[in-house]
Amino acid sequence: NAGVMQNPRHLVRRRGQEARLRCSPMKGHSHVYWYRQLPEEGLKFMVYLQKENIIDESGMPKERFSAEFPKEGPSILRIQQVVRGDSAAYFCASSPGFHTEAFFGQGTRLTVV
Amino acid sequence: DQQVKQNSPSLSVQEGRISILNCDYTNSMFDYFLWYKKYPAEGPTFLISISSIKDKNEDGRFTVFLNKSAKHLSLHIVPSQPGDSAVYFCAGVPNQAGTALIFGKGTTLSVSS
Repeated sequence: NAGVMQNPRHLVRRRGQEARLRCSPMKGHSHVYWYRQLPEEGLKFMVYLQKENIIDESGMPKERFSAEFPKEGPSILRIQQVVRGDSAAYFCASSPGFHTEAFFGQGTRLTVV
Repeated sequence: DQQVKQNSPSLSVQEGRISILNCDYTNSMFDYFLWYKKYPAEGPTFLISISSIKDKNEDGRFTVFLNKSAKHLSLHIVPSQPGDSAVYFCAGVPNQAGTALIFGKGTTLSVSS
């Protein structure tokens, strides 16, 4: 049973470009969470999704950021018109349901130049 | 307003001694707590958990203590090993459906040989 898979591991984008980060949860997991870790900071919650539904996006910036978890395929975190301040490690986690521990992927390190 | 706090950004311990990592929380919305360990350039990995109805959980060298009246928990590692050097995150699992894990900022543990 493969763990949570994130790709790419590293992503470099110029200012103004779009970044797409993908996350395939563990088999049997229908809950996906995205967290961001800025330098010298902890893990900041961004968004919580179940299949085809956004459950909680209270941690997501109001502009330029969006997330989806379609019926088929991976969850996607999309950042439009990236700025230098978006440079961070983005972690995806999945769980089989509510109220259980979450398992994390290796993260995607986004660098905006 | 941070609901889960790890007030010590770093901790240095000698090999063989005990490491004690602390975590405080600000309200009673959590049903249980998790500790994650994170190496550089990797995703967090689940280490140990404790339910809010218990005051201690032990797994090998790792023991977590929960003091509900003080809203405080601690992770004890004994004996500490150089391979334990990592960032340790405390996370609360909310008792409200539709709410994701809430993490502290982490404590960097360095174990010297």
